[in-house]
Amino acid sequence: AQSVTQLDSQVPVFEEAPVELRCNYSSSVSVYLFWYVQYPNQGLQLLLKYLSGSTLVESINGFEAEFNKSQTSFHLRKPSVHISDTAEYFCAVILNNAGNMLTFGGGTRLMVKP
Amino acid sequence: ETGVTQSPTHLIKTRGQQVTLRCSSQSGHNTVSWYQQALGQGPQFIFQYYREEENGRGNFPPRFSGLQFPNYSSELNVNALELDDSALYLCASSLGRLAGGDTQYFGPGTRLTVL
Repeated sequence: AQSVTQLDSQVPVFEEAPVELRCNYSSSVSVYLFWYVQYPNQGLQLLLKYLSGSTLVESINGFEAEFNKSQTSFHLRKPSVHISDTAEYFCAVILNNAGNMLTFGGGTRLMVKP
Repeated sequence: ETGVTQSPTHLIKTRGQQVTLRCSSQSGHNTVSWYQQALGQGPQFIFQYYREEENGRGNFPPRFSGLQFPNYSSELNVNALELDDSALYLCASSLGRLAGGDTQYFGPGTRLTVL
């Protein structure tokens, strides 16, 4: 069975500092990869996704993630965070033969401090 | 704003009762998926419906059931509630059944508390 591991449950960081949220998955077959963000008392919003092609994907608000097949990783990075980035971040995968079923990691709480 | 709405926002039930949660998908979205998110955890896939038929199911017992209607609304029903059913229930809609690359748009969720 596929699984997703987010290695850090909490990441505290100061405003304007860089951040990396780590995500590893276990699968020997092709996958689609996603990062979702959840603000307090809200549902999930798609941040970015990798389906195929370029291994580096970017979001409109400065986040990027790189698909590394050999290391089965899809880490999320941002060079300079803002207070407004404080939220829970979830990595998720779909096997390409598993319909549209998302398997999520446990989440990483990003806490940006002034 | 994803256009996916859920009702109610919060709900309190007692053990053994039954509950129905509702979701209204974006217009034109033929697929709806339901997820359970326990406190402090990532969401877990319950099941998915495509054009009113179940199209996949996660590791949840049969007392979790669903319906999808032609007007892009759907329901999640849970019978014989247990304390561990306390969670945030999320629905997500997407355009088609496809092979997995379709973006799922999530609603704000229904917070269910079972006492």
